[in-house]
Amino acid sequence: GQQLNQSPQSMFIQEGEDVSMNCTSSSIFNTWLWYKQDPGEGPVLLIALYKAGELTSNGRLTAQFGITRKDSFLNISASIPSDVGIYFCAGQLAGNQFYFGTGTSLTVIP
Amino acid sequence: ETGVTQTPRHLVMGMTNKKSLKCEQHLGHNAMYWYKQSAKKPLELMFVYSLEERVENNSVPSRFSPECPNSSHLFLHLHTLQPEDSALYLCASSQDTGRYSNQPQHFGDGTRLSIL
Repeated sequence: GQQLNQSPQSMFIQEGEDVSMNCTSSSIFNTWLWYKQDPGEGPVLLIALYKAGELTSNGRLTAQFGITRKDSFLNISASIPSDVGIYFCAGQLAGNQFYFGTGTSLTVIP
Repeated sequence: ETGVTQTPRHLVMGMTNKKSLKCEQHLGHNAMYWYKQSAKKPLELMFVYSLEERVENNSVPSRFSPECPNSSHLFLHLHTLQPEDSALYLCASSQDTGRYSNQPQHFGDGTRLSIL
């Protein structure tokens, strides 16, 4: 299957700091999704991206569909304790299933 | 997210037991999925049902048997599982517009399965 490289694997930041994470692949994707998973719960959709270069915000979260269509980025501004969790990217090749990254674990230190 | 409900939330079973996982979606979607989530690994797609017809198997061992009686319900029947099958099993649904829709999948909270 397709491999999505998600980085960093984990982050420890101070409350109030901005966060950046990304997802890359050797393949060209036509859809990118970003999810957050809290302990004991399933992934929750944060942002969906459908066009190269697309920049979409959801509150303090902003995600971008890379111009090359091989990557995507997620930024969180002014982090708060409830941002703690694991963030997953998912990419879809045309006419194929979604492939998921291994996740970025975010810890916010008050 | 209450749109997709999975039961039970936790399940401990021996290798010779037979059990079933249940998933119900209240989102009006027409596609449902089973995923396996293991530590440090990406989500693994197991089964896809679109309009109640199975369209993807992904070479899952036969000890896992899915059933989709209608577009709102999905089951995963388990039989003679192995210790390496211990994982979080996630159900998802989406609005399917074709064999592989680009519509986002909405997940349940999963069943944590432990095989003794």
